[in-house]
Amino acid sequence: QSALTQPASVSGSPGQSITISCTGTSSDVGGYNYVSWYQQHPGKAPKLMIYEVSNRPSGVSNRFSGSKSGNTASLTISGLQAEDEADYYCSSYTSSSTLGVFGGGTKLTVL
Amino acid sequence: EVQLVESGGGLIQPGGSLRLSCAASGFTVSSNYMSWVRQAPGKGLEWVSVIYSGGSTYYADSVKGRFTISRDNSKNTLYLQMNSLRAEDTAVYYCARELSSSSLDVWGKGTTVTVSS
Repeated sequence: QSALTQPASVSGSPGQSITISCTGTSSDVGGYNYVSWYQQHPGKAPKLMIYEVSNRPSGVSNRFSGSKSGNTASLTISGLQAEDEADYYCSSYTSSSTLGVFGGGTKLTVL
Repeated sequence: EVQLVESGGGLIQPGGSLRLSCAASGFTVSSNYMSWVRQAPGKGLEWVSVIYSGGSTYYADSVKGRFTISRDNSKNTLYLQMNSLRAEDTAVYYCARELSSSSLDVWGKGTTVTVSS
């Protein structure tokens, strides 16, 4: 069982917006602004999309945005495109471990 | 170009040992927090181990006492020594650089470890 809870799947049509949630506790998501989001296409390595809740690394489209409220972080993808179809993972710093923790992953389907 | 390249994976029998390597270019391994993350077939990501720039090392409970993370500064390379391997260690193993707390910004392409008789 993953430390952070994500929906198993979400879907949306091209051009629409979708949001993926990531729920933790006050020991991780709720207690620190160290939530990250990764995109992983099949057979590829994960790619960092968001760090420290809402920051985008250089080169990541501004269609990707992150936020947090209480113990739940969210990744929003606007203007959905076919190439956004992938698995998405959240991660967070946690005071309960010396390592970070991941969510179970969410499969995004672009209809 | 900032890059990580893993090697050393393969098919190994239960109880065996493997050493994974992760060669870095474009940055200095010893100046960064470096991690190993694994992904079992069809499953999610699992943080396995981290080595801090100061040399401190930490492990997931699932591998503690069996795996050892290390680095060779002269070769700018990260390692993961895996002993007493089990079937449940079967996974793709990625090395990654930590950008900020628990945020991994550079990943290798991964190396596959299969533990089976």
